[in-house]
Amino acid sequence: GAVVSQHPSRVICKSGTSVKIECRSLDFQATTMFWYRQFPKQSLMLMATSNEGSKATYEQGVEKDKFLINHASLTLSTLTVTSAHPEDSSFYICSARDRGYNSPLHFGNGTRLTVT
Amino acid sequence: SQKIEQNSEALNIQEGKTATLTCNYTNYSPAYLQWYRQDPGRGPVFLLLIRENEKEKRKERLKVTFDTTLKQSLFHITASQPADSATYLCALEGNNNDMRFGAGTRLTVKP
Repeated sequence: GAVVSQHPSRVICKSGTSVKIECRSLDFQATTMFWYRQFPKQSLMLMATSNEGSKATYEQGVEKDKFLINHASLTLSTLTVTSAHPEDSSFYICSARDRGYNSPLHFGNGTRLTVT
Repeated sequence: SQKIEQNSEALNIQEGKTATLTCNYTNYSPAYLQWYRQDPGRGPVFLLLIRENEKEKRKERLKVTFDTTLKQSLFHITASQPADSATYLCALEGNNNDMRFGAGTRLTVKP
């Protein structure tokens, strides 16, 4: 089946530094990838939709200069949290589609970010 | 505004019983609806997709119904097992091909 690999699974960084999270589709090409953020015991909040070769579409309230998304190839999307602050601590999850509209999403196992 | 509501935050049932979870939506005209399972600290896993012209869909012990008049989907797990304990999420696609999720229902099956 379709596999999405997300790395790192956990990261601890100091306030003010930047962190890059990678999301790879291992056995399929993903024209669209989605980035979500999840707080404890809450649902997935869509941050942005990323299409290969074009700029990401950010949800209202998500700062595009703070959460940089790059989808340079059909198998890789990255999320960079710039100048991280403690309030950015969260669980970040990426997902990808292996086909078009109405196909299921395949999720990575998430990245637990802790900013100290 | 568009909303996806899962009516129960948590549901506790006894092993062997049927679990029924509800997903209601507002201001969507979905061509399909999806259900996912999420375990703690993991990404969601796709379970079932049901299209607007399908009333019911089954997969092993899982059954999903979709009523576009009521704007509701029901998700059933029959003969539930402790291993079914997880959070179950329903998802809909928005106008911009963006996938959005309900808050989820945390199911606990007690032995």
